[in-house]
Amino acid sequence: AQTVTQSQPEMSVQEAETVTLSCTYDTSESNYYLFWYKQPPSRQMILVIRQEAYKQQNATENRFSVNFQKAAKSFSLKISDSQLGDTAMYFCAFMKWAAGNKLTFGGGTRVLVKP
Amino acid sequence: DGGITQSPKYLFRKEGQNVTLSCEQNLNHDAMYWYRQDPGQGLRLIYYSQIVNDFQKGDIAEGYSVSREKKESFPLTVTSAQKNPTAFYLCASSNPGTGGPYEQYFGPGTRLTVT
Repeated sequence: AQTVTQSQPEMSVQEAETVTLSCTYDTSESNYYLFWYKQPPSRQMILVIRQEAYKQQNATENRFSVNFQKAAKSFSLKISDSQLGDTAMYFCAFMKWAAGNKLTFGGGTRVLVKP
Repeated sequence: DGGITQSPKYLFRKEGQNVTLSCEQNLNHDAMYWYRQDPGQGLRLIYYSQIVNDFQKGDIAEGYSVSREKKESFPLTVTSAQKNPTAFYLCASSNPGTGGPYEQYFGPGTRLTVT
């Protein structure tokens, strides 16, 4: 079974600065996908970014980027130019390829952006 | 607009009663999922369904039941056998098998309180 660990329960960052969230996972699979989801106070889960394990290039979506280290089984999320609207819970998630597309989530990191 | 609807947003029940949570999607997705989220924790998979009339247990299926009679609908019943039913319940859908992962889209959730 896969496990996903987010070691930072809570982080705060000043508006316009950068914050990095860590995520490690444990798997014996070689084909898989990794995701970061955002859950704002509304509790709606929103996909932030995804990464296919077979791709060496790190994914980027506007101010969000990842550092994917396959050998180290690490998948960190960097939020650049933080905005007040980035305040939310962030969840790292793992999906094994061709296995019902089930997601395994980490415990989450609460990010507070301060003005 | 395409999306996933969950109703009601808040649900209150007395202990010992069964309760059914609704989930409907008009995204034409084949797969649907139910997750449970407890305060300060990540999401845990209850049940999932990849096609109509078929579903599989997730990690915490005990005390829950589902049906998938229509592609658009995947209701979850929380039975009296579920020992700690008070939680936030999230429904999701995806379209696997199309050459990608692919990511799950989430509904707004239902907050169930059992007293």
